[in-house]
Amino acid sequence: GAVVSQHPSWVICKSGTSVKIECRSLDFQATTMFWYRQFPKQSLMLMATSNEGSKATYEQGVEKDKFLINHASLTLSTLTVTSAHPEDSSFYICSAILRGSAGYTFGSGTRLTVV
Amino acid sequence: DQQVKQNSPSLSVQEGRISILNCDYTNSMFDYFLWYKKYPAEGPTFLISISSIKDKNEDGRFTVFLNKSAKHLSLHIVPSQPGDSAVYFCAASENSGYALNFGKGTSLLVTP
Repeated sequence: GAVVSQHPSWVICKSGTSVKIECRSLDFQATTMFWYRQFPKQSLMLMATSNEGSKATYEQGVEKDKFLINHASLTLSTLTVTSAHPEDSSFYICSAILRGSAGYTFGSGTRLTVV
Repeated sequence: DQQVKQNSPSLSVQEGRISILNCDYTNSMFDYFLWYKKYPAEGPTFLISISSIKDKNEDGRFTVFLNKSAKHLSLHIVPSQPGDSAVYFCAASENSGYALNFGKGTSLLVTP
């Protein structure tokens, strides 16, 4: 079946530094990638939607200059958390749409801790 | 504003019995609904989905029921097994291929 590989699975960084999270669709083309964030005991909240070759669409309240999303190819989307702060500590998950299907495939998530 | 609500944060069921997880939604434009199972620090695993043209979909031990007039859906797991213990998320979208709106999840514990 369709697989989305997400890396790293966890990362600890210092406040003020930037962190890049990658999501790769394996064996299929992801025309659309969604990025979610989950705080403890909360639901997965949509941050942004990215389509290959175009700018990401951000949800209200999500700073596009802080959470940089690049979807340069049909198999790779990246989320860069710039100038990370402790309040950015969360679980970040990507989800890809398989071209021509209704299937949503999720990555395994990235636990970001900013100290 | 939470458009998908799972009002029971936790549920405990004995092995072999039925587990019923409930979900309500407020957006009448939602027409595609999914259930996911999730473990801590892992991505969600798809279980079952239903579109608004149906009121029931079954896959093995899992059945999803949709009541559009009540904006309510439920997931039935029969028989429940200890390996079913996890957090279950209900999700909805306005169309397949759109972003999903998730509930806060229900933590299911199946005891031997």
